[in-house]
Amino acid sequence: QKEVEQDPGPLSVPEGAIVSLNCTYSNSAFQYFMWYRQYSRKGPELLMYTYSSGNKEDGRFTAQVDKSSKYISLFIRDSQPSDSATYLCAMSADTDKLIFGTGTRLQVFP
Amino acid sequence: NAGVTQTPKFQVLKTGQSMTLQCAQDMNHNSMYWYRQDPGMGLRLIYYSASEGTTDKGEVPNGYNVSRLNKREFSLRLESAAPSQTSVYFCASSSSGGLTGELFFGEGSRLTVL
Repeated sequence: QKEVEQDPGPLSVPEGAIVSLNCTYSNSAFQYFMWYRQYSRKGPELLMYTYSSGNKEDGRFTAQVDKSSKYISLFIRDSQPSDSATYLCAMSADTDKLIFGTGTRLQVFP
Repeated sequence: NAGVTQTPKFQVLKTGQSMTLQCAQDMNHNSMYWYRQDPGMGLRLIYYSASEGTTDKGEVPNGYNVSRLNKREFSLRLESAAPSQTSVYFCASSSSGGLTGELFFGEGSRLTVL
């Protein structure tokens, strides 16, 4: 079993839809949780960072962490075609190593 | 501001050949990483360096060697390339790694081993 599981998609939604992206994990030591966005043929870039449990909101993006269920989510409101990308969850314990999910490919069509 | 620069961007090798992927960052970061990205496997850590002069194995180190030449540069070497090493390789750097979550990635090096 992988430490981090993520549905690869692809997920195709119309412009303006609410998108929900999710990851589950098995290592209870993880306490730093991130979402990266990766456009085609580019390197990933950090989108959201959350420490421990709770919610964090940044514009149209909301990250949620439920440590009791070992489950994290990223919500995108009012999705735009420019949001079309692969979204990778990542997490770490109190170390220098990030463990990434496989990524979910999202396509937002006009 | 260049950020993280990787060379070469594309490379085709024959089985058994050797090559070095170069990475340089201009953000004065202590930590540097090499990941490989394969379809269905996500990003997997090959090696990382928490500071100049130190390196540690990641999840998939077999078949690779690294050198942290100085604070700016971190190279990845394939001594005898195998088709299983066909992948996209990403270098990244960070001021504090997993503790802040922000890794800065290069644009990737696409390697094909025939």
